[in-house]
Amino acid sequence: NAGVTQTPKFQVLKTGQSMTLQCAQDMNHEYMSWYRQDPGMGLRLIHYSVGAGITDQGEVPNGYNVSRSTTEDFPLRLLSAAPSQTSVYFCASSPEGVADTQYFGPGTRLTVL
Amino acid sequence: DQQVKQNSPSLSVQEGRISILNCDYTNSMFDYFLWYKKYPAEGPTFLISISSIKDKNEDGRFTVFLNKSAKHLSLHIVPSQPGDSAVYFCAASGGNNAGNMLTFGGGTRLMVKP
Repeated sequence: NAGVTQTPKFQVLKTGQSMTLQCAQDMNHEYMSWYRQDPGMGLRLIHYSVGAGITDQGEVPNGYNVSRSTTEDFPLRLLSAAPSQTSVYFCASSPEGVADTQYFGPGTRLTVL
Repeated sequence: DQQVKQNSPSLSVQEGRISILNCDYTNSMFDYFLWYKKYPAEGPTFLISISSIKDKNEDGRFTVFLNKSAKHLSLHIVPSQPGDSAVYFCAASGGNNAGNMLTFGGGTRLMVKP
């Protein structure tokens, strides 16, 4: 099993550009989440999904969209990038729940100029 | 206001000695606590967890202690090894009683010197 995979590893955007961060898992987990990690802030939940077709907002959802058309994939869309979205983004999956043990991908480092 | 705090941003320990990482929380609805370990350029990996019905959980060199009255948990690593050098995050959850999500602390960078 590859576990949780994320692409790209690095990305530089200009303010106002849009992009999609890809996330896939091959563990057949129902629950998937997106977090951002900022210095001193730990990881903060952006959006999550409890199954295909079902998504909900986390702690810091503004500026991001998600969809979950399959169990395996959970892409994160930045509609109009802002410098405040410069961060490291982690996708995670779990067989038990959004509030339970999470299995994280390797992360995407995003810089918005 | 951060509900989960790790007040020491960094900790340096000699190889073979004990490492103690601390975490405080404010939300009394939290009933499940986890520690994650993160190496540079990798995602966090689960290390150990504890439910609020226990005050101690042990897994090899790693032990987590929970003091509910003080709203404090700690991770003990004995003996510390250079490969333990990483950033450690504590996290807490309380299901629907606490937002149905994991709340993370800011992390502590542990450096184990050979």
